Amino acid sequence: GENVEQHPSTLSVQEGDSAVIKCTYSDSASNYFPWYKQELGKRPQLIIDIRSNVGEKKDQRIAVTLNKTAKHFSLHITETQPEDSAVYFCAASIFPGNQFYFGTGTSLTVIP
Amino acid sequence: DAGVTQSPTHLIKTRGQHVTLRCSPISGHKSVSWYQQVLGQGPQFIFQYYEKEERGRGNFPDRFSARQFPNYSSELNVNALLLGDSALYLCASSSGPGSPLHFGNGTRLTVT
Repeated sequence: GENVEQHPSTLSVQEGDSAVIKCTYSDSASNYFPWYKQELGKRPQLIIDIRSNVGEKKDQRIAVTLNKTAKHFSLHITETQPEDSAVYFCAASIFPGNQFYFGTGTSLTVIP
Repeated sequence: DAGVTQSPTHLIKTRGQHVTLRCSPISGHKSVSWYQQVLGQGPQFIFQYYEKEERGRGNFPDRFSARQFPNYSSELNVNALLLGDSALYLCASSSGPGSPLHFGNGTRLTVT
């Protein structure tokens, strides 16, 4: 089955700096890659996603890039704010299935 | 619109007992998935149901079972509970295959 690896496991940045989280996947058939943010004690919430026919997608301060050849994708958060502090999970799935494989998470701390 | 609702929020059981967790999807969503999230790790896929049929099963023992009802709500059943079953159980709904998952707040199961 699919194996998703995520790095780093923890990340601390100063407020206003950028944060980058990287994931790799093993199954070249994977074609949908969402990112979830999970605050302490709360549900994972979708923040951005990308499909394999697109190389990059942006939504305000958040962007995701995908390199299908290298089988890796990254989350970029610019101008970080304290409320960005949370655990971020990447995931991969194979359309049209709905089974998602998650990374182990990155705990992001934004220092005011 | 109400999000994905799960009940109960917390549950304490003893080894060997049985547990039933419940989930109501977002209105209009016909797909329900179950994930197990152990502390410090990403969610792991247990089951997916779409249109009341099982569409996927993760690497979990037969002690785990699930079903989806005509109104698209779902139950996850776990028999012969083990200490290792202690986790946050997340239900997620989606409008169909290949669509983003929307998670509920989860059921925190503690097995003593």
